[in-house]
Amino acid sequence: QQQVKQSPQSLIVQKGGIPIINCAYENTAFDYFPWYQQFPGKGPALLIAIRPDVSEKKEGRFTISFNKSAKQFSLHIMDSQPGDSATYFCAASMEGGNQFYFGTGTSLTVIP
Amino acid sequence: DADVTQTPRNRITKTGKRIMLECSQTKGHDRMYWYRQDPGLGLRLIYYSFDVKDINKGEISDGYSVSRQAQAKFSLSLESAIPNQTALYFCATRHTSTGELFFGEGSRLTVL
Repeated sequence: QQQVKQSPQSLIVQKGGIPIINCAYENTAFDYFPWYQQFPGKGPALLIAIRPDVSEKKEGRFTISFNKSAKQFSLHIMDSQPGDSATYFCAASMEGGNQFYFGTGTSLTVIP
Repeated sequence: DADVTQTPRNRITKTGKRIMLECSQTKGHDRMYWYRQDPGLGLRLIYYSFDVKDINKGEISDGYSVSRQAQAKFSLSLESAIPNQTALYFCATRHTSTGELFFGEGSRLTVL
């Protein structure tokens, strides 16, 4: 059973557009929600993360929106650039937990 | 030099062969993980370890074994490889305080 459901599987946007990637979870014990970015031939790397005590977090052009009641969180990329083309994974874990549960990934292509 | 180093980066082998993937880290983290990445399935946890004497199964441990030789070294073995173990394998370490995962660059395994 997939603990974290991610959509869409792939996304194509024009440069300057705002791609949005969505994730949903069921386990209310999760309290740490990171997003990882993976370029071809590389391992995933932490992009941005949020805890459920806030509804939004921004770091540069990347924003996480968090809806605790709906058990959903999403990644928004403002003014997207071709260099943002990558695979994005959402994840969830529990405080002091041993495991991360990853979404299935979203392949983003930003067209110049 | 990479903080998390995996060897080999690419390996082609035949069904029934024993394969070992190695991981070493210079980050000084106690927690180490092995993940498997398949298209459309995201990252799935195979095994994790909190120290040399602590080994734990993840969600897809069948057909795999691990060894934590030292704090810095964590290897993954396939005793008798089969074609459906063809995948991209990632080693990761975890920062105890921040929870951030640091991934290696991956080992692509093909089982014919």
